[in-house]
Amino acid sequence: QVQLQESGPGLVKPSETLSLNCTVSGYSISSGYYWGYIRQPPGKGLEWIGSIFQSGSTYHNPSLKSRVTTSVDTSKNQFSLKLSSVTAADTAVYYCARGPGPRGYFDYWGQGTLVTVSS
Amino acid sequence: EIVLTQSPGTLSLSPGERATLSCRASQSVSSSYLAWYQQKPGQAPRLLIYGASSRATGIPDRFSGSGSGTDFTLTISRLEPEDFAVYYCQHYGSSTSFGPGTTVDIK
Repeated sequence: QVQLQESGPGLVKPSETLSLNCTVSGYSISSGYYWGYIRQPPGKGLEWIGSIFQSGSTYHNPSLKSRVTTSVDTSKNQFSLKLSSVTAADTAVYYCARGPGPRGYFDYWGQGTLVTVSS
Repeated sequence: EIVLTQSPGTLSLSPGERATLSCRASQSVSSSYLAWYQQKPGQAPRLLIYGASSRATGIPDRFSGSGSGTDFTLTISRLEPEDFAVYYCQHYGSSTSFGPGTTVDIK
């Protein structure tokens, strides 16, 4: 059974960098698939942030591209998100997920973690 | 950029009734790259349908997807109590985005 678990600070100050890790169990990242992040502001809809392949190839939402960095650590079976220069508008539940394509659908999701941007 | 519109915003139905949810794209969705998700409060979205009409693993056959081009439909043939939730469509391929969602609540 594929499982994903997000981890990271629940509170980030404005202008700082949000950092999250996603640990995958039950499947090796090196075996394939794309690994993505999606966020959902409280009470609102879903927004794709970006995805990464095992090789390190990255695909990011153009609206966030300049602030997003994704990376993968196959030795730890983890992938990571960094979002710089955050504002209150970046407050959201952040999900990590697995999908078959770089900008594809997602078949397995983590439970999500709420990140609040506030001083 | 493809923009997805979902209708209705809220659908109020009773258990046992049929639910028909619409997702309309501002441009044609290539190769029917359209997915549907179900989300319950406090939970992550759950993939129901991909490729417009293929059911994901473990999804009951009361859920079905159809459509092509710019018009897509998710149908729940007979609503079970656990089906009351928010449903999102997503287009994918060369770009991706999600629709605003349709809430199916108990009448």
